[in-house]
Amino acid sequence: QKEVEQNSGPLSVPEGAIASLNCTYSDRGSQSFFWYRQYSGKSPELIMSIYSNGDKEDGRFTAQLNKASQYVSLLIRDSQPSDSATYLCAVNLGNAGNMLTFGGGTRLMVKP
Amino acid sequence: NAGVTQTPKFQVLKTGQSMTLQCAQDMNHNSMYWYRQDPGMGLRLIYYSASEGTTDKGEVPNGYNVSRLNKREFSLRLESAAPSQTSVYFCASSERASKYSNQPQHFGDGTRLSIL
Repeated sequence: QKEVEQNSGPLSVPEGAIASLNCTYSDRGSQSFFWYRQYSGKSPELIMSIYSNGDKEDGRFTAQLNKASQYVSLLIRDSQPSDSATYLCAVNLGNAGNMLTFGGGTRLMVKP
Repeated sequence: NAGVTQTPKFQVLKTGQSMTLQCAQDMNHNSMYWYRQDPGMGLRLIYYSASEGTTDKGEVPNGYNVSRLNKREFSLRLESAAPSQTSVYFCASSERASKYSNQPQHFGDGTRLSIL
C-alpha cells in the first residue's frame, strides 16, 4: 500500500466547474501537507500548504484537511483550461524530519 | 531571483559513464533535496541534506552519491550510470523544518537524463 495515494485520473471537468482532487495518507501523525501543480515537462510548483484541520482558501483554490480521516483535498473553483496539469499531493509522514512523500499525482483536464 | 538552478538541463550518457548533476539555490535555504521522477512513479527522494554538512539517504539512494558543497550547492553523482537511472532529476530546497511543521520545498527546472 502506497503511503500517499492519489487517483491518477485523468479527471475531466468542463470550464467553469469545480474540480475536486483527493489525497489519502497512511500516517496519522503527519503534520504538514502540500499541493503542487506540475505542467507537462515542467517542474512542480507549490500551490497550497495546510497544517491544521479545516479549510484554507487562496483565490480559486481551497485546501481541505481532515486528519482524523487522513485525507487532504484540493478544490479548484471556476476551473480554467490553464488549470490542466498534474496535481501532486505531498505529506510529511509522521516524524520524518524534513522529508516529504509525494503521491503519484492526479491529471486534471479542463475542457473549454 | 533565480531560485533553484540545475545544470545541465539535458544529458545523454552511455552505460558505465559517470557524471555529476549540479544544483544551486539563492534563497538562503538550509535544506536541499534530490528527487527522481519516472512515469507513473511520482517523485521519489534520492538523498537530502537537512543542513550544511549533513546528508541522508532517501527512498532510492542506490547508485547515487551526493555532496553538500556549501549552503548554496548540493550535487548528485552517478558513478557508473545504468539504463535504470534514465529519469528526470529534480533538485529542491526549503527552510529547515520546525518541530511542528515542514516548510514547502521549491524545485529547480530539472535535468532530463537518458542512459543508453
